[in-house]
Amino acid sequence: AQRVTQPEKLLSVFKGAPVELKCNYSYSGSPELFWYVQYSRQRLQLLLRHISRESIKGFTADLNKGETSFHLKKPFAQEEDSAMYYCALSQASGSRLTFGEGTQLTVNP
Amino acid sequence: NAGVTQTPKFRVLKTGQSMTLLCAQDMNHEYMYWYRQDPGMGLRLIHYSVGEGTTAKGEVPDGYNVSRLKKQNFLLGLESAAPSQTSVYFCASRSGTSGNYEQYFGPGTRLTVT
Repeated sequence: AQRVTQPEKLLSVFKGAPVELKCNYSYSGSPELFWYVQYSRQRLQLLLRHISRESIKGFTADLNKGETSFHLKKPFAQEEDSAMYYCALSQASGSRLTFGEGTQLTVNP
Repeated sequence: NAGVTQTPKFRVLKTGQSMTLLCAQDMNHEYMYWYRQDPGMGLRLIHYSVGEGTTAKGEVPDGYNVSRLKKQNFLLGLESAAPSQTSVYFCASRSGTSGNYEQYFGPGTRLTVT
């Protein structure tokens, strides 16, 4: 069975500090991984996906198959990055996403 | 385009009452999903649909039923609400195009069962 784990429920950093949100997964096939973000009182939206290898709002994430991880990183956090972040994994068929428990990031001034 | 919309935005039910949540999308998406969001548990899939007239169970389907009579609509029903169903419910949809797995989410429905 596939599983996504985000070990930190809460993460607090100061503005300008680096931030890393951890995501580990278990899946027997070839995974597709995503990060979704939910700003306060807004709907979830896709932040980035591993296959596109792009940087969105300064965030990057690298799939490490050896460590089965897909950590989200940003070198200099901004206050507007404060939000709930979810890591998600897609089955090979793409019909379903499995979400992690979420990490609430707070960036303090 | 409105994207994914949900009706209602808020609802309070008494234990044992029934209700239907409506999700609508105007993107001609094949796939539609219902999730519930609870603190510390992330999003859990309740039911989903891979096309008009089809439905399938997700991780936590008990106590819920769904219907997809029209491609653009996906209804979630609670026949006899329980306090454990107090949650925020999100609907999502995505294209059926192979390799395009991005899901688009609605604004959520906050349900309280007393």
